[in-house]
Amino acid sequence: EAGVAQSPRYKIIEKRQSVAFWCNPISGHATLYWYQQILGQGPKLLIQFQNNGVVDDSQLPKDRFSAERLKGVDSTLKIQPAKLEDSAVYLCASSLSPDGYTEAFFGQGTRLTVV
Amino acid sequence: AQSVTQPDIHITVSEGASLELRCNYSYGATPYLFWYVQSPGQGLQLLLKYFSGDTLVQGIKGFEAEFKRSQSSFNLRKPSVHWSDAAEYFCAVAREDDYKLSFGAGTTVTVRA
Repeated sequence: EAGVAQSPRYKIIEKRQSVAFWCNPISGHATLYWYQQILGQGPKLLIQFQNNGVVDDSQLPKDRFSAERLKGVDSTLKIQPAKLEDSAVYLCASSLSPDGYTEAFFGQGTRLTVV
Repeated sequence: AQSVTQPDIHITVSEGASLELRCNYSYGATPYLFWYVQSPGQGLQLLLKYFSGDTLVQGIKGFEAEFKRSQSSFNLRKPSVHWSDAAEYFCAVAREDDYKLSFGAGTTVTVRA
């Protein structure tokens, strides 16, 4: 079974530029998560989708971050404009969760450096 | 809202010694509990999970964890650590109503020869 795919693996941008990350979850997984992991900290949930609807985006800085999940499958996370404090690893995860919770599987992450 | 606390930021153990990592959670209902491991530059790998039933769960790589409802804890243990166990360990809790998955701050494990 293929895992959660993320791209790119690494990205370096200047502050005020924009950037986009892509995530392809495991086939058939209904729930998709985006997390931000700052160096030395635990992952922080940015947004959670159930199919193509948003379940929780309470910690997403909506003035600069946006996310969408196309047809309930792939997802993109965008930052515009980026700030220095956005430097982090952005993790995507998915879980099957049809009628009850199942564990989340994580991608390798995208390491973003804002200079 | 749920929260997850990992009291130990960093633990150093000798190879072959036992390891215990602590995790406490706050959540009104019965949680789904997880331990993930993250090696440098890697994603998160699931070690074990608790959904219901036997409160002592076995995971991969020789790890086990025990759910204690009275203490709101889910501590991770391994009887004899290997150098390859050096990594960051995260405890996580998922809510049964909306599947929101929250993580603790993590515990870094260093293994000395």
